[in-house]
Amino acid sequence: GESVGLHLPTLSVQEGDNSIINCAYSNSASDYFIWYKQESGKGPQFIIDIRSNMDKRQGQRVTVLLNKTVKHLSLQIAATQPGDSAVYFCAERASSSASKIIFGSGTRLSIRP
Amino acid sequence: GAVVSQHPSRVICKSGTSVKIECRSLDFQATTMFWYRQFPKQSLMLMATSNEGSKATYEQGVEKDKFLINHASLTLSTLTVTSAHPEDSSFYICSASLPNDGYTFGSGTRLTVV
Repeated sequence: GESVGLHLPTLSVQEGDNSIINCAYSNSASDYFIWYKQESGKGPQFIIDIRSNMDKRQGQRVTVLLNKTVKHLSLQIAATQPGDSAVYFCAERASSSASKIIFGSGTRLSIRP
Repeated sequence: GAVVSQHPSRVICKSGTSVKIECRSLDFQATTMFWYRQFPKQSLMLMATSNEGSKATYEQGVEKDKFLINHASLTLSTLTVTSAHPEDSSFYICSASLPNDGYTFGSGTRLTVV
């Protein structure tokens, strides 16, 4: 759904552990979801995407899970590294006829050495 | 890969003046581009969608006369912040849709109005 501009929650993870970042969306008609990573002062960087006809997709060290029943999306990062420190956003596209994507509120991931 | 180049990366302007931000697609034709604004520690808020050769579609609450968007060619979209005020200070980011359903983002413009 529309981001309401909330302040970012923070997830602190030990280096080497797995990270799980969650996102709730509100539009049941959304058909396409994307996870982005944003480092300070930079634009969003694509991580992984998933379409609504799937419930899981894997990339290199990352997995996205989609639960349409509860409108929930998660990003799993395996063996978290210092370079994974950033803010992570989920984004959704309202439908196949819409072109715009709306960003979720975001989560800051910090890595403990 | 598809790259969008955004300029300038930083700009400081005086209150009451106008500032233009450019977004260029370097190796593909961008039929549709998007402009976002991001305040510190917040998410990206969509301002408007621009389609080449037609008027932009603004999101609710975004003043179209203040944030002028031009998308006159398939490789260039511009955002002009007119009569800028300190509250317009923000991080502005452009994006373009790709043929394969993906999106690519510019590196952002930090606008400071003094």
